[in-house]
Amino acid sequence: DSGVTQTPKHLITATGQRVTLRCSPRSGDLSVYWYQQSLDQGLQFLIQYYNGEERAKGNILERFSAQQFPDLHSELNLSSLELGDSALYFCASSFNPPGSSGNTIYFGEGSWLTVV
Amino acid sequence: AQTVTQSQPEMSVQEAETVTLSCTYDTSESDYYLFWYKQPPSRQMILVIRQEAYKQQNATENRFSVNFQKAAKSFSLKISDSQLGDAAMYFCGDAMKGGSEKLVFGKGTKLTVNP
Repeated sequence: DSGVTQTPKHLITATGQRVTLRCSPRSGDLSVYWYQQSLDQGLQFLIQYYNGEERAKGNILERFSAQQFPDLHSELNLSSLELGDSALYFCASSFNPPGSSGNTIYFGEGSWLTVV
Repeated sequence: AQTVTQSQPEMSVQEAETVTLSCTYDTSESDYYLFWYKQPPSRQMILVIRQEAYKQQNATENRFSVNFQKAAKSFSLKISDSQLGDAAMYFCGDAMKGGSEKLVFGKGTKLTVNP
């Protein structure tokens, strides 16, 4: 158990709908990362937050948005869903003070999203 | 820009033998670190080993070790005494240090361990 908690574990929804994926980082971790892994694909970096602020952005679609709340949990919002959005969405966390060394990024078990 | 390349989509090894998975990266940053993650069929991402770029000594974790060639931007993973439980997808990644530490992965290598 990595200590990163993601909910829901599985979700099936229809095209055009909107869903929210939730992530609770490990206790004490300030950074949250979101990744998308489509079937038989590698992991695509979506976005990173550090202590409530957006720090890095990857190939995140405009239909997707995320935020990190004061209690450090994060939510990834996916709207106007398309069939191609079906994927495993990972949240990861790390302690990550700026300029630190020795950081390790821990992954949650992922949220499986199926768009039908 | 960060790019990570794993040139071997699939590899196989006999149980108890040694296998090396290749990885090259291209980062313009001077301060970064490198990872190998394992993803078994459960899809859980499990950290195997990490290497700080400023350290010349290759990292080792039990049966797992790396060959880090900084000038060549190469970071291969060696698995010794392979076990059936090592069968998984292996992802190489690099992360820049600092306030933004996004970890960028390669496309992965599927390792099969034959009994």
